[in-house]
Amino acid sequence: VTQTPKFQVLKTGQSMTLQCAQDMNHEYMSWYRQDPGLGLRQIYYSMNVEVTDKGDVPEGYKVSRKEKRNFPLILESPSPNQTSLYFCASIVLEIYEQYFGPGTRLTVT
Amino acid sequence: GENVEQHPSTLSVQEGDSAVIKCTYSDSASNYFPWYKQELGKGPQLIIDIRSNVGEKKDQRIAVTLNKTAKHFSLHITETQPEDSAVYFCAASRYTGGFKTIFGAGTRLFVKA
Repeated sequence: VTQTPKFQVLKTGQSMTLQCAQDMNHEYMSWYRQDPGLGLRQIYYSMNVEVTDKGDVPEGYKVSRKEKRNFPLILESPSPNQTSLYFCASIVLEIYEQYFGPGTRLTVT
Repeated sequence: GENVEQHPSTLSVQEGDSAVIKCTYSDSASNYFPWYKQELGKGPQLIIDIRSNVGEKKDQRIAVTLNKTAKHFSLHITETQPEDSAVYFCAASRYTGGFKTIFGAGTRLFVKA
């Protein structure tokens, strides 16, 4: 699983797309944010191309899944409370195993 | 909402000692309980998992136990080594109405040489 960029600093309201790609042909993918003391929280997940659903903290985010390989996370008008470490995961649904990318550290000022 | 509580938040042990991390979950529909190790600057990596139809699983120095009645599960690391130092996360997953995973807040493990 690959994620780009590795680091990003944005100003409030400056839109951004975090990229995630997997080469394992998995149907399921998911986005998480990691904040100190809170662990990882699920933002959105996708069951297949054009099929997505909200996780526990979807506010302020959008996703799209136009092809199986890619699952971008869109921040249309980011705010400082979206400063976080973001992880994408690709999932083998039959056995529930998740493979995480290296993360994107995002700072919104 | 559903949650997973993880204790302790920090654990310091001497090399060679055992380390135990405990988690409690609230969603009774959860049926898959993975443990992840996260090293600095990296994504979480699965180290062991257990499913709801199993009470215990072992893989070399690592073992996990599950008490579904009490909604508790624990990670046991024996003969700890300095390279075990990392942040460990427990999680509870289910596939009912979509694939959902709730993570614990994490335990920072220090193994002193």
